[in-house]
Amino acid sequence: EIVLTQSPGTLSLSPGERATLSCRASQSVSSSYLAWYQQKPGQAPRLLIYGASSRATGIPDRFSGSGSGTDFTLTISRLEPEDFAVYYCQQYGSSLTFGPGTKVDIK
Amino acid sequence: EVQLVQSGAEVKKPGESLKISCKGSGYSFTSYWIGWVRQMPGKGLEWMGIIYPGDSDTRYSPSFQGQVTISADKSISTAYLQWSSLKASDTAMYYCARGGYGDYGLHDAFDIWGQGTMVTVSS
Repeated sequence: EIVLTQSPGTLSLSPGERATLSCRASQSVSSSYLAWYQQKPGQAPRLLIYGASSRATGIPDRFSGSGSGTDFTLTISRLEPEDFAVYYCQQYGSSLTFGPGTKVDIK
Repeated sequence: EVQLVQSGAEVKKPGESLKISCKGSGYSFTSYWIGWVRQMPGKGLEWMGIIYPGDSDTRYSPSFQGQVTISADKSISTAYLQWSSLKASDTAMYYCARGGYGDYGLHDAFDIWGQGTMVTVSS
């Protein structure tokens, strides 16, 4: 089973700042089958990025994904107030697994 | 509108059985995989398993194999998650989510999510 590790656990930033979230896999993720989700309190997760770098429908372009193999990154170019949430990565190349999440909170 | 609507919150006692549901609408239910995800209170997301309603092909996470049963009734566009004997540790929010399309859709992200079903198991 592929294990995903996300860092940092918590990221404290101010609105307007850039957020860089990391997701590392225990083995290579085939065909960049890596997704990112956003979850706000009391809500279901929402798909942001699939295929490591493709934005899902309706996702603003301040969200971008990159990476391949075992190292992936989600970047939020300028944080908006509604972006403070928990972010999960998921691999779906070999079975499916989620990372433990990164919380982005207001500094 | 493409959506998944889940059944309501449940409160059960240890040892009881339970079946929760997830109804799809606005798309071809039989052509997309449906996954189930657990979220224990204050914790992260855990993939439980996935089913292809077209032929009921089902895969389970090793962590949940034998602990739950996933099924689907394509005639009413509904997927199910069931327990035969609940434990207090099953207390969690359970989400269904739409996976990919067709035979290769097993390798795809979850693009549509249900609203979640809260299951509380307490004596």
